[in-house]
Amino acid sequence: DTEVTQTPKHLVMGMTNKKSLKCEQHMGHRAMYWYKQKAKKPPELMFVYSYEKLSINESVPSRFSPECPNSSLLNLHLHALQPEDSALYLCASSQDPSEGAGNEQFFGPGTRLTVL
Amino acid sequence: AQRVTQPEKLLSVFKGAPVELKCNYSYSGSPELFWYVQYSRQRLQLLLRHISRESIKGFTADLNKGETSFHLKKPFAQEEDSAMYYCALVPNTGFQKLVFGTGTRLLVSP
Repeated sequence: DTEVTQTPKHLVMGMTNKKSLKCEQHMGHRAMYWYKQKAKKPPELMFVYSYEKLSINESVPSRFSPECPNSSLLNLHLHALQPEDSALYLCASSQDPSEGAGNEQFFGPGTRLTVL
Repeated sequence: AQRVTQPEKLLSVFKGAPVELKCNYSYSGSPELFWYVQYSRQRLQLLLRHISRESIKGFTADLNKGETSFHLKKPFAQEEDSAMYYCALVPNTGFQKLVFGTGTRLLVSP
């Protein structure tokens, strides 16, 4: 399996709901990433997990809570979101660059989130 | 701070014409540079990386450290090249974020 998968493809939620986005990869990658992409804008990094530990948090509001249960899975828990949080949420993964793999990131298809 | 600049939001050419998508970066060290492409209704995918110095789908990109540029070129554009192209850098080795440019939409007309 050489792809990053994300579920669900689409999600509509109210501001009081709690939901989760899921990401999975079986390429043996040791880093996983969450990006947020607004329409006609480039992706913006939210979080990086390396070896299942949170290594970068780009000052993301606490209503977004990442979780990495194991090396293949990455979740993003959502609670009390605002309409401006509506966006495409992308997951990515990469190998350990110290193993000579470089820094290429492999992206999932994204979850399109709409907050009402 | 790292910064990637893509000056053109939209580049429109005819099939068979040469294409050059510009990318300039600012970073004091030695970054790793990439071109990512996003075709309509498809995921973001890697097109080129400067360290591999290869040609993919007829595209090439050369890193010019003096001019801090990494322009993407193709001598003869095809309709299927129409997509959004992002130049990006990783500032250091290790697990680092991709710093993306604002993107250039390439539209190749028949």
